[in-house]
Amino acid sequence: DTAVSQTPKYLVTQMGNDKSIKCEQNLGHDTMYWYKQDSKKFLKIMFSYNNKELIINETVPNRFSPKSPDKAHLNLHINSLELGDSAVYFCASSQDWVGRGRPDTQYFGPGTRLTVL
Amino acid sequence: KNQVEQSPQSLIILEGKNCTLQCNYTVSPFSNLRWYKQDTGRGPVSLTIMTFSENTKSNGRYTATLDADTKQSSLHITASQLSDSASYICVVSVGAAGNKLTFGGGTRVLVKP
Repeated sequence: DTAVSQTPKYLVTQMGNDKSIKCEQNLGHDTMYWYKQDSKKFLKIMFSYNNKELIINETVPNRFSPKSPDKAHLNLHINSLELGDSAVYFCASSQDWVGRGRPDTQYFGPGTRLTVL
Repeated sequence: KNQVEQSPQSLIILEGKNCTLQCNYTVSPFSNLRWYKQDTGRGPVSLTIMTFSENTKSNGRYTATLDADTKQSSLHITASQLSDSASYICVVSVGAAGNKLTFGGGTRVLVKP
């Protein structure tokens, strides 16, 4: 069984379009995350949700809007896509927020490669 | 400014050899430090997690060390295998509640037969 799954795996779209990426975890975790990995392979955290509440928003343009309908899902909606949004987006989950003193293991999804033309 | 720097940027080693990757950080206050392995085209996988009081932690052939005084960590790979070819990322949690993550740029390891 896949622990953290994302759909789609690949997404190619035109500038200006709106798109969504879905993430689901079946680990029973309370915390989920979205990361962006650029062409230089640098990972940056974008958002983190704990028990469906936003706890981290790392200066991401407001064209990006996460939505957490329940603890097992954290979707990422992107409006008015720009060329610079091209990257691989990773979803992840952990029992508790990884930054706290508790050393919870973080599990990543397989990634969604977004290409904006 | 909170920073995490990894060295070397890339590394080529022969199968069966050992290697050590470095991670230096300037973050304060420190909460915990993680090492991840990321295979090409896949999501990162957690290798080790160390809190302030831990000096060393092993996961199979991977051994991480932490010196909180000098703010340095290393990841040692013993008897490398072809499957160890990947990027290795060091991540430090910052803040009294550790509510910020600072990522290193990663070290790309290529193991050759």
